Amino acid sequence: KAGVTQTPRYLIKTRGQQVTLSCSPISGHRSVSWYQQTPGQGLQFLFEYFSETQRNKGNFPGRFSGRQFSNSRSEMNVSTLELGDSALYLCASSLDSTSAYEQYFGPGTRLTVT
Amino acid sequence: LAKTTQPISMDSYEGQEVNITCSHNNIATNDYITWYQQFPSQGPRFIIQGYKTKVTNEVASLFIPADRKSSTLSLPRVSLSDTAVYYCLVVFSGSARQLTFGSGTQLTVLP
Repeated sequence: KAGVTQTPRYLIKTRGQQVTLSCSPISGHRSVSWYQQTPGQGLQFLFEYFSETQRNKGNFPGRFSGRQFSNSRSEMNVSTLELGDSALYLCASSLDSTSAYEQYFGPGTRLTVT
Repeated sequence: LAKTTQPISMDSYEGQEVNITCSHNNIATNDYITWYQQFPSQGPRFIIQGYKTKVTNEVASLFIPADRKSSTLSLPRVSLSDTAVYYCLVVFSGSARQLTFGSGTQLTVLP
C-alpha cells in the first residue's frame, strides 16, 4: 500500500507570495492533519480534516488555510509569506477521526521563504 | 493551555532498555497518548498509542500512571538503529480538542 505523498518536496518562495502544498493520504484514510516543524518551535499542529470538514485548528494566523477534497486529498495554503514561515510542513493521514491517533506521516515539504 | 514536556536528550548502550517520559497536564480518562519516532529528513513514524495503564506491542510499551500526569515509552533492548528523536503526542479532549506534541527527545544509542 502506498504511503502518504506530499508535493512538492522542496519549495523556495519570496516574502509576500503565497504557496499551496498538496497531500495525498493512504488509500482508505479519511482523516488528514497538517503540522509545521521548525527547530525552534518543534512540531505544531495546524489543522485536521475529516470528510472534507475542518475538525480542529491549531493556533496559527488566518494566513494558513486548508481544505480537503472528496477523494480525501488535502491542500494547505499560506498567503502573504513571512520569513518565519520557513519550515518543514508535514501531512499525516489516519483511518478516521477518533481520539486514537495512529497517524502515518508523509516526508514533508521543505518551504524556504527568502 | 495543553503543554507537554520531554527530556531534550538521552544516551544509552546497545541492548539496554530505554525509558522516555513525557509530562503533561492531567489528561482525561479517554485521552490518548501516542509516541512517534523521527529520523532526519523523514516524517515521524508511529510507534505506539494508548489511554490505559499499560499497552504493549512488538516494538515498545507505553505506561500511564494512575494520576495521568505523565506517560513513559519503554524500548526494550535498543540497537544503534534506534538512534532518533522520539515525540509524544497528547490529544487533549474537551470543548476544543487540542493536539500537542512534546518537544522531542534525542535518543543516542552507543555501541
